[in-house]
Amino acid sequence: SQQGEEDPQALSIQEGENATMNCSYKTSINNLQWYRQNSGRGLVHLILIRSNEREKHSGRLRVTLDTSKKSSSLLITASRAADTASYFCATRSTTSGTYKYIFGTGTRLKVLA
Amino acid sequence: AAGVIQSPRHLIKEKRETATLKCYPIPRHDTVYWYQQGPGQDPQFLISFYEKMQSDKGSIPDRFSAQQFSDYHSELNMSSLELGDSALYFCASSSPPGDWTSGLADTQYFGPGTRLTVL
Repeated sequence: SQQGEEDPQALSIQEGENATMNCSYKTSINNLQWYRQNSGRGLVHLILIRSNEREKHSGRLRVTLDTSKKSSSLLITASRAADTASYFCATRSTTSGTYKYIFGTGTRLKVLA
Repeated sequence: AAGVIQSPRHLIKEKRETATLKCYPIPRHDTVYWYQQGPGQDPQFLISFYEKMQSDKGSIPDRFSAQQFSDYHSELNMSSLELGDSALYFCASSSPPGDWTSGLADTQYFGPGTRLTVL
């Protein structure tokens, strides 16, 4: 089963509203990353948060990490139509020397103009 | 800035044929990852390489093999193709662990993908 599970699986909001997506994972992690993917295109790295960090900001993005609950959230503020995409979280486990990331099932965000 | 290059971008094969996908990482990146993404699915980790050695293996079928060459480019070889192998195949690269302090080492940069269609 997938390490990361995103919810909601689909989200539709109006332009200007905030969008919040959640990701839960099962094992101890070294870091968690959020990616955006436009339909059929490559994944674009948005933000990385390490296991010893609780919150991180990048422009209109805010990511939180709660390692006790094994969950993370991605907040996109003041959404734009161009934010329409699928959003995935990916986790890297704490196993030493691991170069393996597990992706969650993704949240499909639709921002209506 | 240079990005990850994948070739070909599109590939159509018949069942039981073989396919080779290529990935050219960002210069100075020594770690390469391969992912498979079926229609409407999340990316599934296949295999990764660090400094030309296989570092981790995921859900990669035995029919698939991969390697990383001395110039750090990587190839994914797929044999006895099946209809279910039709998917987007992504390669990603990341920088050497020496970049830990800058937080860059773990950031994966993805290529545009190769869309494989098996008929």
